[in-house]
Amino acid sequence: NAGVTQTPKFQVLKTGQSMTLQCAQDMNHEYMSWYRQDPGMGLRLIHYSVGAGITDQGEVPNGYNVSRSTTEDFPLRLLSAAPSQTSVYFCASSYWGHEGYTFGSGTRLTVV
Amino acid sequence: DAKTTQPNSMESNEEEPVHLPCNHSTISGTDYIHWYRQLPSQGPEYVIHGLTSNVNNRMASLAIAEDRKSSTLILHRATLRDAAVYYCAPSNNAGNMLTFGGGTRLMVKP
Repeated sequence: NAGVTQTPKFQVLKTGQSMTLQCAQDMNHEYMSWYRQDPGMGLRLIHYSVGAGITDQGEVPNGYNVSRSTTEDFPLRLLSAAPSQTSVYFCASSYWGHEGYTFGSGTRLTVV
Repeated sequence: DAKTTQPNSMESNEEEPVHLPCNHSTISGTDYIHWYRQLPSQGPEYVIHGLTSNVNNRMASLAIAEDRKSSTLILHRATLRDAAVYYCAPSNNAGNMLTFGGGTRLMVKP
């Protein structure tokens, strides 16, 4: 039982580059979310999904895109990386939102 | 979305109980109250959640005030492995958003 798997664990991008952060879960969870965590701060919601084909924006969606073609996968795309997007990104999933969420181990992204 | 206030840090002795408070005075009637903890360089780990009644599980207990404007996470016997940042995170009515505050860094002394 792998839980929530995020890849890559570390990434360095140049300003303007694009990339996709991968997130996969094997628990048949409907709810999936992306959060970012900046130094010394709590997590902020970027985008979320309540099932395949359904996505919506969270608190800080600008500069990010998501899609949910399968229950298992919820990739996060950075369209044109900016230094302000340097952060640690966490993916989370839950069978139903009012149960606990399982988080991945994170992707540490640096944009130079 | 509910806003949360937690103390920046707390200290406890090993094997003693710890009470971690959280103020969430703007919470709505159907928002659940979640608690997570985070160890260095790891993702948050679910601890417990509840709506109105007090809740117990193998990790901790959650005491929710009658007016739901605050809650307290109770670790019954702190161990060194409980040293982490603890986040109170109310969810919205639909359960698709968690609002994290700044968290409380718990230090456990042997």
